[in-house]
Amino acid sequence: AQKVTQAQTEISVVEKEDVTLDCVYETRDTTYYLFWYKQPPSGELVFLIRRNSFDEQNEISGRYSWNFQKSTSSFNFTITASQVVDSAVYFCERGTYKYIFGTGTRLKVLA
Amino acid sequence: ETGVTQTPRHLVMGMTNKKSLKCEQHLGHNAMYWYKQSAKKPLELMFVYNFKEQTENNSVPSRFSPECPNSSHLFLHLHTLQPEDSALYLCASSQEIGSYGYTFGSGTRLTVV
Repeated sequence: AQKVTQAQTEISVVEKEDVTLDCVYETRDTTYYLFWYKQPPSGELVFLIRRNSFDEQNEISGRYSWNFQKSTSSFNFTITASQVVDSAVYFCERGTYKYIFGTGTRLKVLA
Repeated sequence: ETGVTQTPRHLVMGMTNKKSLKCEQHLGHNAMYWYKQSAKKPLELMFVYNFKEQTENNSVPSRFSPECPNSSHLFLHLHTLQPEDSALYLCASSQEIGSYGYTFGSGTRLTVV
């Protein structure tokens, strides 16, 4: 089965540190989509970003940035100057005709 | 009301009870999903509905029975559950399958006693 791998189960950083969450995906498709979601302690998953396989431009949104490298099948997520409110579980997902989630990375930002 | 709304937020039920979870979206999305999230386990896709038709059943036990009367509403009927079915049940919707991100509901925290 084509997988999405988030090798980091849990990461702890001190506030204001930068942190990168890794995501590696498998696919045989030429057209696919990649997503990141945030699940704070409240439980509701929140959509963060969607990228399609033809757009390898990196994206920045405030303190969040995403690095899409097709050559390594990676779609990594960096939080700059982390804050306690960034503490959550982050999921990477790949979509084609169906969706496949990674197992998530729990990020703890310590004050 | 916008987004995906799930009710109830919390549910405690006995193993012989019958209950239903409800999900509603007013986003005009065509696909709706049920996911199960257990402690220390990845998100498990249970069912997918596209234009009210079930397109995927991920080997879910028959004690879980989905219903999608229209594109805006999705139900999960529960009966004779087991304690290991205790989990967070998440409903999601998307414009179409695969190419658009989900909008998730807040989930129903189910405890089977």
